[in-house]
This record gives sequence, C-alpha cells and structure tokens, in this order.
Amino acid sequence: DIQMTQSPSSLSASVGDRVTITCRASQSISIYLNWYQQKPGKAPNLLIYTASSLPSGVPSRFSGSGSGTDFTLTITTLQPEDFATYFCQQSYTTPYTFGQGTKLEIK
Amino acid sequence: QVQLQESGPGLVKPSETLSLTCTVSGASMSSSSYFWGWIRQSPGRGLEWIGSISYSGSAYDHPSLRSRITMSVDTSKNQFSLKLNSVTAADTALYYCASEKEVYGSGSYVYWGPGTLVTVSS
Repeated sequence: DIQMTQSPSSLSASVGDRVTITCRASQSISIYLNWYQQKPGKAPNLLIYTASSLPSGVPSRFSGSGSGTDFTLTITTLQPEDFATYFCQQSYTTPYTFGQGTKLEIK
Repeated sequence: QVQLQESGPGLVKPSETLSLTCTVSGASMSSSSYFWGWIRQSPGRGLEWIGSISYSGSAYDHPSLRSRITMSVDTSKNQFSLKLNSVTAADTALYYCASEKEVYGSGSYVYWGPGTLVTVSS
C-alpha cells in the first residue's frame, strides 16, 4: 500500500494568516492526490482533486500543488470556518490511502 | 444535489456480520458517471478506504479486507450495501458511504453520507 505522510500533525494559526500543509507519498502518485477538510462530527469534504483542481463551490483561498511524491495545500487569508482537520488521499491506485490528518487550530 | 445516507445496526457481536446500506438520492445509481464506495474512520486507524462498486457491480476492495467483504448494488432501490463478516473489535469505526463522480476522477470522493457508528462488542 502507498503510505501518505502529512506534516505537521497540528498547526496553530490566526484568522488572516497563510498556512501550508504538506503531504508526502511513499512512491510516485503523479498528480493523483486529493485534499479533504473535516469538521468535528461531519464527513470529510473534498477540497482539492488531482493535486490542484478545486471542485465547484470551494473558495479560491484554497490551493494545491505538487506532483510525484510531494504535495502542498495552501490556505491564504484564513477564515474562522477554515479551522478543521485536513487529510490528503492518494487516488493513484487501490487501495486508496489517506494521510493521518493535520489539525488546524486557532492561535 | 446528491445525498447519501447510511443505515444499519450500530452494534454487532464479534464474529458476526456487519451489514450496512447506503441510500442515494439526487442521482441515478445506473449512471456510469459514479462509483459508490465505503470508507471507515477510527481513532486508531484513521481514514481507511474499504472499497468501491459501480452500478454494474464492478468492484474494487481493500486487499486486507477482501476475504471478508461483499459489496452489492440495487439500482431499483437506489441503494448499495456492504457486508463485512467475522468482525472483531478492530472493525469498530464510523462507516461512511461516499461516491466518486467521473468529472473529479477515480478515487475522489465528492459526496459523503453523514456516517454511522458501528461498534463491535458482545
């Protein structure tokens, strides 16, 4: 199975900050990397697909980049509703696998 | 808007079979644009992909669960189902049904149910 490793595991930031979360795959996954946002008690929500594409309705302050094994999720100008846990997931091959999550907390 | 809702027992005894159903609304399960999947989440194992199935019954599942999993689709009821047999405490988790949509690529789960907690205990 492809292992997905996120860093950091947790992050404190303030409203208006810019934050970056990284995800590394144990082997090349091309651009088949997705990001999800999960709020407490809710299902994950697809934020980014194929490394850098935004589904309709996702604010443009979210962006993704990377290919191969190294990927980043960037949130510019943090909003109060962005404080949540973020997961990366590879969709290059089954079994699809997820990172362990990055909890973004208010400083 | 596509909506999914899981249903099934919240408590299953060890060695028995976990059975869950996902009811889909807002989309036709007969469409080739979707794949229908199961994902579980637990504190110890995080998010774990279980498997996906198409309207025609073509399925992909996690190799570590393959011997215990059965997935099926009932397009007439707009439902798909998961059976996991010989459960142990390690199968205790929040189980989500979710769907992939072709435009977002295979393995990108754009629609999710709210999740259902399944506890394995005697």
